[in-house]
Amino acid sequence: GENVEQHPSTLSVQEGDSAVIKCTYSDSASNYFPWYKQELGKGPQLIIDIRSNVGEKKDQRIAVTLNKTAKHFSLHITETQPEDSAVYFCAAIQYGGSQGNLIFGKGTKLSVKP
Amino acid sequence: DVKVTQSSRYLVKRTGEKVFLECVQDMDHENMFWYRQDPGLGLRLIYFSYDVKMKEKGDIPEGYSVSREKKERFSLILESASTNQTSMYLCASSLWGTGAGEQFFGPGTRLTVL
Repeated sequence: GENVEQHPSTLSVQEGDSAVIKCTYSDSASNYFPWYKQELGKGPQLIIDIRSNVGEKKDQRIAVTLNKTAKHFSLHITETQPEDSAVYFCAAIQYGGSQGNLIFGKGTKLSVKP
Repeated sequence: DVKVTQSSRYLVKRTGEKVFLECVQDMDHENMFWYRQDPGLGLRLIYFSYDVKMKEKGDIPEGYSVSREKKERFSLILESASTNQTSMYLCASSLWGTGAGEQFFGPGTRLTVL
């Protein structure tokens, strides 16, 4: 089955700096890669996703890149702000049974220092 | 806005008790999911359901069962709670489809088994 590795497990940056979180996946059949943000005391929330027919997607300060050949994808946050502090999870879809389901990475705790 | 609610934010039970965790979504979503979240392990899928009375095992179904009698409600059952089931439990829902779509999460239930 699918295996998703996520690095780093913790990341601390100064406000205004960029942050990069990287994930690798194992199943070449995966074609959907979402990123979720979990703030303290809340459930995860989708912030951006990418499908395998594109290599990059941007939404304001957030971007995701995908390298299908190398089976890795990354989340880039520019001009970080204190409200970006949270745990971020990458995921890849695993197909089997009636439909696909998501396999999540172990998470990255991002701290943005003012 | 999609709303996923879980019956309790915190729950304390004793070893051997039967435990019910309830989840309700208000957006007529076909798919519903139960995950557990543990530090350093990320989110792991326990069970999911793509239709009323339908269920499929996720990656860690042992010790759990589920029930989906109505479209909006998905219950997770611990038949005989054990201390290794102490965890954060997250429910999610998504529209019908292949699984490659946004999942909306509830706030989680932190279960402690003594």
